Amino acid sequence: KAGVTQTPRYLIKTRGQQVTLSCSPISGHRSVSWYQQTPGQGLQFLFEYFSETQRNKGNFPGRFSGRQFSNSRSEMNVSTLELGDSALYLCASSSTPLTSGSYNEQFFGPGTRLTVL
Amino acid sequence: DAKTTQPTSMDCAEGRAANLPCNHSTISGNEYVYWYRQIHSQGPQYIIHGLKNNETNEMASLIITEDRKSSTLILPHATLRDTAVYYCIVRVVGGSQGNLIFGKGTKLSVKP
Repeated sequence: KAGVTQTPRYLIKTRGQQVTLSCSPISGHRSVSWYQQTPGQGLQFLFEYFSETQRNKGNFPGRFSGRQFSNSRSEMNVSTLELGDSALYLCASSSTPLTSGSYNEQFFGPGTRLTVL
Repeated sequence: DAKTTQPTSMDCAEGRAANLPCNHSTISGNEYVYWYRQIHSQGPQYIIHGLKNNETNEMASLIITEDRKSSTLILPHATLRDTAVYYCIVRVVGGSQGNLIFGKGTKLSVKP
């Protein structure tokens, strides 16, 4: 079974631009979560989508948004990029929502490394 | 979710057991202990989880103290490929958020 894939793997943008990152979950998984990883703040949760609906959201500004398609693929968008948005963006998929009553292992992709100049 | 405390870094000789401690003194009765690791430039990888009983799988063993205030992840025969940052996370299964809250983790260096 193929793992979680993220595209692109590397991206360079300038301040003020916007960017869209893509994540394809493991086949059959309907939950996709996004995390941001920076040296200073570590790994932080952005949001989760399940069956095309946002289920949970972390403490990030509205410039960070996402969506999920009917095939469970997800995109994350960051508008008006700032230097501090430079980070590794990770997505993770699981078979059930994070808030389900049963344990659900999250499988992470390799990430997209975004550099904002 | 409860906070966890882990040493910043640890060394281990190749072939020896690596014992990674984690303190979670404020853990609640319905919170599980999870361990993930992140090898350089890759996404985190699930290792093991447990509630109150010791657990073992093909990767590692998890020992949770009787009062559940601390736990130890054991890699029985560490290899160079086990060099990574190891994260101990406590999380309510079925909680209102459900997402993983990562701390700083322990950077394990396995040396030849």
